Amino acid sequence: GEQVEQRPPHLSVREGDSAVITCTYTDPNSYYFFWYKQEPGASLQLLMKVFSSTEINEGQGFTVLLNKKDKRLSLNLTAAHPGDSAAYFCAVSAGNYKYVFGAGTRLKVIA
Amino acid sequence: EAAVTQSPRNKVTVTGGNVTLSCRQTNSHNYMYWYRQDTGHGLRLIHYSYGAGNLQIGDVPDGYKATRTTQEDFFLLLELASPSQTSLYFCASSADRVYEQYFGPGTRLTVL
Repeated sequence: GEQVEQRPPHLSVREGDSAVITCTYTDPNSYYFFWYKQEPGASLQLLMKVFSSTEINEGQGFTVLLNKKDKRLSLNLTAAHPGDSAAYFCAVSAGNYKYVFGAGTRLKVIA
Repeated sequence: EAAVTQSPRNKVTVTGGNVTLSCRQTNSHNYMYWYRQDTGHGLRLIHYSYGAGNLQIGDVPDGYKATRTTQEDFFLLLELASPSQTSLYFCASSADRVYEQYFGPGTRLTVL
């Protein structure tokens, strides 16, 4: 079945710096990709969803890149601020009701 | 905004105890999921359902039962709780398999 590897497990950056989180997946039939943010003590909130028909998606302060050839999904925070400190999870689905999550990245942004 | 609620928010039980975790969604979503979250593992799927009376086995089902009584309500049952089931449990719902999931606030379960 699908396996998702997320790197790095922990990331510490200074305010204003960029931060990059990457997920690699194994199932070439995966078509739906999601990034979730989990603030300390809170639940998961959707950050962005990506379908494999698009390769670049931009949100507020971040960009998601999908490389289908290498089966790699990345989340780039362009100018991190302390409010971005949280755990981030990618999730991958081949459209069969199941979502496989990465193990998460704990991001700390230092002011 | 999608709404998923869970109860209880915290639960402590002893080994061999009987525990029921409840989840309700008020979004008319067909799909509901139970996950456990442990450090280093992310979220792992226990059971899921795509409608009342339906139940599908997830990736880590051992020691867990689930029941979907209505479109809104999905329950997770631990009939003989063990310390290895100490974890943070999340319920989620989605409109369809291609849509994002909406998560509940979580239930922290401790098995002594």
